[in-house]
Amino acid sequence: ETGVTQSPTHLIKTRGQQVTLRCSSQSGHNTVSWYQQALGQGPQFIFQYYREEENGRGNFPPRFSGLQFPNYSSELNVNALELDDSALYLCASSLDPRVETQYFGPGTRLLVL
Amino acid sequence: GNSVTQMEGPVTLSEEAFLTINCTYTATGYPSLFWYVQYPGEGLQLLLKATKADDKGSNKGFEATYRKETTSFHLEKGSVQVSDSAVYFCAGPGSARQLTFGSGTQLTVLP
Repeated sequence: ETGVTQSPTHLIKTRGQQVTLRCSSQSGHNTVSWYQQALGQGPQFIFQYYREEENGRGNFPPRFSGLQFPNYSSELNVNALELDDSALYLCASSLDPRVETQYFGPGTRLLVL
Repeated sequence: GNSVTQMEGPVTLSEEAFLTINCTYTATGYPSLFWYVQYPGEGLQLLLKATKADDKGSNKGFEATYRKETTSFHLEKGSVQVSDSAVYFCAGPGSARQLTFGSGTQLTVLP
């Protein structure tokens, strides 16, 4: 059974640029959630995708957007990067939205200069 | 809305010491509760979970009991090892089925 995978592992961008992060869900999981973890803090929910639609969103501005594909993989896009967007971005998958247990990938560490 | 409050860290223990990390929650009903562990430079790993009140989750020598009378889910281990050094997060469902996390507790175990 393949776990959650994310790419890239590290990324450096400059302020104002755009970034796309990718996530492949665990085998058999159709729901993907994205979280932002700033240094020294707990993860904060960005949004969740189910059946290629956004299925819940946290307190993040519209410049954070996402996609889910028919194979359940997902992308997180961030436009107009700001210095405060520097963080570890975590993807988590679950069997479906009704299942509370989520399994996390290794994360993508983004640094905005 | 639902929230999780976790004991502030950091915690430093000697090898073979007893560990307790406190976690309390507020929620509607009795949702599943979780402990995740994050090793340096890595993502979160599910350590254990409890799916209903009075349930006990256990894994790798760690235990946590879901106590509805005190709304707590404290993490315990009888004898910690150096390899247990990591950040531990308590978590529960948020208002939109996302996970809401505590602030994390950094555990350092000295040989």
